[in-house]
Amino acid sequence: LAKTTQPISMDSYEGQEVNITCSHNNIATNDYITWYQQFPSQGPRFIIQGYKTKVTNEVASLFIPADRKSSTLSLPRVSLSDTAVYYCLVEGYSTLTFGKGTMLLVSP
Amino acid sequence: NAGVTQTPKFQVLKTGQSMTLQCAQDMNHNSMYWYRQDPGMGLRLIYYSASEGTTDKGEVPNGYNVSRLNKREFSLRLESAAPSQTSVYFCASNSRDRGRFNYGYTFGSGTRLTVV
Repeated sequence: LAKTTQPISMDSYEGQEVNITCSHNNIATNDYITWYQQFPSQGPRFIIQGYKTKVTNEVASLFIPADRKSSTLSLPRVSLSDTAVYYCLVEGYSTLTFGKGTMLLVSP
Repeated sequence: NAGVTQTPKFQVLKTGQSMTLQCAQDMNHNSMYWYRQDPGMGLRLIYYSASEGTTDKGEVPNGYNVSRLNKREFSLRLESAAPSQTSVYFCASNSRDRGRFNYGYTFGSGTRLTVV
């Protein structure tokens, strides 16, 4: 199983860009990298997914280097409502485990 | 479009009691999962079902049983509840299809279970 390592917590201020990096050294060829957001008392919510290079959607960007052993979730201009836990997940046919996530606290 | 629906949302059990957590999805997904979430532990997989008629153990299956009733429904049963099973339980589904791009999991809103 591809294990992931992320920072336990991060702090930011409104309007700043936040980058959360996840390492996944034993990622397999067929694995994708997915990021989820979880608010208290809710289930995780899909944010973005990628395989390599850069993926961008309306809420975030995902940067994956050529060796795919890490990935970085980039949240542009965060607001207070982005305070949540962010999970990096390596998804493959045999990889079904979430890590402990990164608690992002955005302050005014 | 309900997505993944879990019932009940809250439950208090006495040690030794049994109960079944229900989960249903309306997205025609092949795969369904049960996770538990404890403070500081992230999400841990209990059981999953890759397709109708199949189930497999995850990381923490002891004390639980599951049934994939049909493509839509996947239930989790606690036969004899223990205080260690106090947790928040999440059901999820996924359109996992070999060879095609995977768009991730859809989660239910969770069941908060307390065993006293």
